Amino acid sequence: QVQMVQSGGEVKKPGASVKVSCKASGYTFTSYGITWVRQAPGQGLEWMGWISAYNGETKYVEKFQGRVTMTTDTSTTTAYMELRSLRTDDTAVYYCARGPPGSGGNSPLFYWGQGILVTVSS
Amino acid sequence: EIVLTQSPGTLSLSPGERATLSCRASQSGSSSYVAWYQQKPGQAPRVLIYGASTRATGTPDRFSGSGSGTDFTLTISRLEPEDFAVYYCQQYGSSPLTFGGGTRVEIK
Repeated sequence: QVQMVQSGGEVKKPGASVKVSCKASGYTFTSYGITWVRQAPGQGLEWMGWISAYNGETKYVEKFQGRVTMTTDTSTTTAYMELRSLRTDDTAVYYCARGPPGSGGNSPLFYWGQGILVTVSS
Repeated sequence: EIVLTQSPGTLSLSPGERATLSCRASQSGSSSYVAWYQQKPGQAPRVLIYGASTRATGTPDRFSGSGSGTDFTLTISRLEPEDFAVYYCQQYGSSPLTFGGGTRVEIK
């Protein structure tokens, strides 16, 4: 069965970077992309971007351009999301998720990781 | 960017009642590329409906989606105790993908 298991929670200081991981299993990793969504405490969902595990193509929301890098490691079927220059308002649960094949990132999200809390505080 | 506005913010209903949730898009670029998610406290969202009206695998048939253009609706025909949660719509027809602000369905 499809599983997406994320790394543990992180606590960072403002200005630092965080790199979170998402280990995928139960399907052919390179046939799908990985989407990253975040949710600030008590708030709604925010789409951050998408990466193709086939060729590394990325799509980022403009507000994160220059601060975010999404990558994949096909040898370990793991996706990564690095966010730099952290601010306190980056405190959120970060989810990885997967849609159907061949969607180019524009898709509903059928499988989700459990989410990890990244706390940014001085 | 397509802005999705969900209404009402909170819906207070009793088990067995019908729930009607609305999602309005700021422009029609989303066509029928709208999904609905259910989220319970401490859990990841779960997709219920995609393509505006197609139930995802495992979605009970008391959930139905409808709409096109800029107006979309999620209907829960008879609320079960496990349906009290927050519901989000999402458009995936136009980048960046966007979510609505959510509707909380609470027990009256």
